[in-house]
Amino acid sequence: GAVVSQHPSWVICKSGTSVKIECRSLDFQATTMFWYRQFPKQSLMLMATSNEGSKATYEQGVEKDKFLINHASLTLSTLTVTSAHPEDSSFYICSAAGWLAGHTDTQYFGPGTRLTVL
Amino acid sequence: DAKTTQPPSMDCAEGRAANLPCNHSTISGNEYVYWYRQIHSQGPQYIIHGLKNNETNEMASLIITEDRKSSTLILPHATLRDTAVYYCIVRKAAGNKLTFGGGTRVLVKP
Repeated sequence: GAVVSQHPSWVICKSGTSVKIECRSLDFQATTMFWYRQFPKQSLMLMATSNEGSKATYEQGVEKDKFLINHASLTLSTLTVTSAHPEDSSFYICSAAGWLAGHTDTQYFGPGTRLTVL
Repeated sequence: DAKTTQPPSMDCAEGRAANLPCNHSTISGNEYVYWYRQIHSQGPQYIIHGLKNNETNEMASLIITEDRKSSTLILPHATLRDTAVYYCIVRKAAGNKLTFGGGTRVLVKP
């Protein structure tokens, strides 16, 4: 149990275009989903927290108009990087939390999406 | 959430137990200790978590000191596939944010 998938696993795009990344909880209902970003040789940094059916809460310094998050169902959240630029190139990782086998609010992570903006 | 301190790196011998320490001296009574690991270029993998009592699952054991100011993650028989960055995180029971520090880079050697 506790499987989280992400799609795509990697994407290359041109500067100025938008990229959508999907995060799905495959075998449990995720009441909360999280989006992280990780630059090379650095730790994960939380970007935003989203609860199903409500607006995402963004961490300080993360532009909500640039990183659009939608959490329309208990199994799907999407992150759209709008007008991507080379400095947005990073490893984007989602996680999902929900009741699963008694593990209250334990976060389970997806495999990550590597975004390269040319 | 309480801050954690971990050694930046450690080497372990394949087949031996790996003991990974974590200090969390400012932990509060309602905060859990979580352990995750991240193998290169993958998302973090949940290992184990605990509040006060020692915990064991199929992956590892978690030993929490009586005063809860430190803990040790034990990988009973390290394999080469256990090479990863291990993160010790303290998280409130009510909230579910995880704050990742630098972790411990564990290298399992043959």
